[in-house]
Amino acid sequence: AQSVAQPEDQVNVAEGNPLTVKCTYSVSGNPYLFWYVQYPNRGLQFLLKYITGDNLVKGSYGFEAEFNKSQTSFHLKKPSALVSDSALYFCAVRDTDGLTFGKGTHLIIQP
Amino acid sequence: DAGVIQSPRHEVTEMGQEVTLRCKPISGHDYLFWYRQTMMRGLELLIYFNNNVPIDDSGMPEDRFSAKMPNASFSTLKIQPSEPRDSAVYFCASRHSGGYYEQYFGPGTRLTVT
Repeated sequence: AQSVAQPEDQVNVAEGNPLTVKCTYSVSGNPYLFWYVQYPNRGLQFLLKYITGDNLVKGSYGFEAEFNKSQTSFHLKKPSALVSDSALYFCAVRDTDGLTFGKGTHLIIQP
Repeated sequence: DAGVIQSPRHEVTEMGQEVTLRCKPISGHDYLFWYRQTMMRGLELLIYFNNNVPIDDSGMPEDRFSAKMPNASFSTLKIQPSEPRDSAVYFCASRHSGGYYEQYFGPGTRLTVT
């Protein structure tokens, strides 16, 4: 079965600093990888995906993710964090017809 | 595009009552997914449909839960009878088979069973 792991329940970053939210994956075959963000009392919003090609994928709100095949990782990054980036972030992998989600990482940006 | 629409946004009911959650997927999307989110269990896939046909309902917790998709524009998730442990946020999501598997989520229904 396909799976993803998000090793950190919470990540704290000062506003203006770079941020990284970690994700590792375990798949058979080529992975399709995704990041979603969930703001309080809202549904999950699609941020970006990796299917093939360039290992650095750019997405919404200035986020990007780096696909690393040798480390089986797909970490979410942003060069300069904003307080408004505070939210719950989910990594996901294609699994049959749907997606398998990680447990989520709370990102807290401190002013 | 209006996105995925769910109703009601909030539902408070008493134990033993029937609850019906509704979802309208994005027009043209042929896959529809129902999820449940709780603090303890995180995000769980309950059931999904392709072209209105249920494909995998292995995530449905018990016979008290049922889901239907009578047409491409509408799906329901029913709980009968409801129990306090069913309290959660229920999400509907949809995607198009011609895409790369990204799903688009509705705003969710927050269910509280007292």
